[in-house]
Amino acid sequence: DIQMTQFPSSLSASVGDRVTITCRASQTINSYLNWYQQKVGKAPKLLINAVSSLVSGVPSRFSGSGFGTDFTLTISSLEPEDFATYYCQQSHSVPRTFGQGTKVEIK
Amino acid sequence: QMQLVQSGPEVKKPGTSVKVSCKASGFTLTDSAVQWVRQARGQRLEWMGWIVVGSGDTHYAQKFQEGVTITRDMSTSTVYMELSSLTFADTAVYYCAAEDSSAWYYGRGYGMGVWGQGTTVTVSS
Repeated sequence: DIQMTQFPSSLSASVGDRVTITCRASQTINSYLNWYQQKVGKAPKLLINAVSSLVSGVPSRFSGSGFGTDFTLTISSLEPEDFATYYCQQSHSVPRTFGQGTKVEIK
Repeated sequence: QMQLVQSGPEVKKPGTSVKVSCKASGFTLTDSAVQWVRQARGQRLEWMGWIVVGSGDTHYAQKFQEGVTITRDMSTSTVYMELSSLTFADTAVYYCAAEDSSAWYYGRGYGMGVWGQGTTVTVSS
C-alpha cells in the first residue's frame, strides 16, 4: 500500500496568512494526488485533483504543486472559512490512501 | 445536482452486522467507482473499499477483506456497504463517495468528487 504522510499535523494561522501544507507519498504516484477540505461535522469536499486542478467553485487562493512523491497545498491568503482539516489522497493505486490530515486553526 | 444520500444512523451490538445504503442521483452511477471511507471520532479518513459500478468489480483494503461487503442495485442506483462481526472499534462515521471511473487511466483517477452526508454507526452493548 502507498503510505501518505502530511505535515504539519496542525498549524495556527491568522486571516490573511499564507499557509503551506506538505504531503509525501511512500512511492511515486506521478500526478495522481488530490486534496480535500473537511469542516467539523461535514463530509470531505474535493478541492484540487491531479495535483493542481481546482475543482469548480474553489477559490483561486488555493493552489497545489508537486510531482512524483512530494506535493504541497498552498492557501495564499487565509480566509475565515478556510479553517478546517485538509487531507491529501492518492488515486494512483488501490487502496486509495489518505494522509493523516492537517488541521488549520485560528491563531 | 449530483448527490449521494445515505441511510440514517445505526446503533448495533458487538458481533452483529450493519448495512448502510448510498443512493445516487444527478449523475451516471455506472460511470463511477463508489468508495466507502470511515472516520472514527477525531481520526483520519480510512479507505475501506470500492465497487466499480459498471462492472461490479470490488476491491477491499486488506484490513477489511474479511468483514466488509460492497454491493450495488442498478435498478435503484444504490450502493450498499455491509460490515459484519462489529466491534467497539467500528464505531465511526461511514461515508460513501463517487470517483468518475470513465476518466480512469489503468485504474488511476482524479479523486472523489461526490460524497454522501455520512452515516454514524455506534457499536454499544
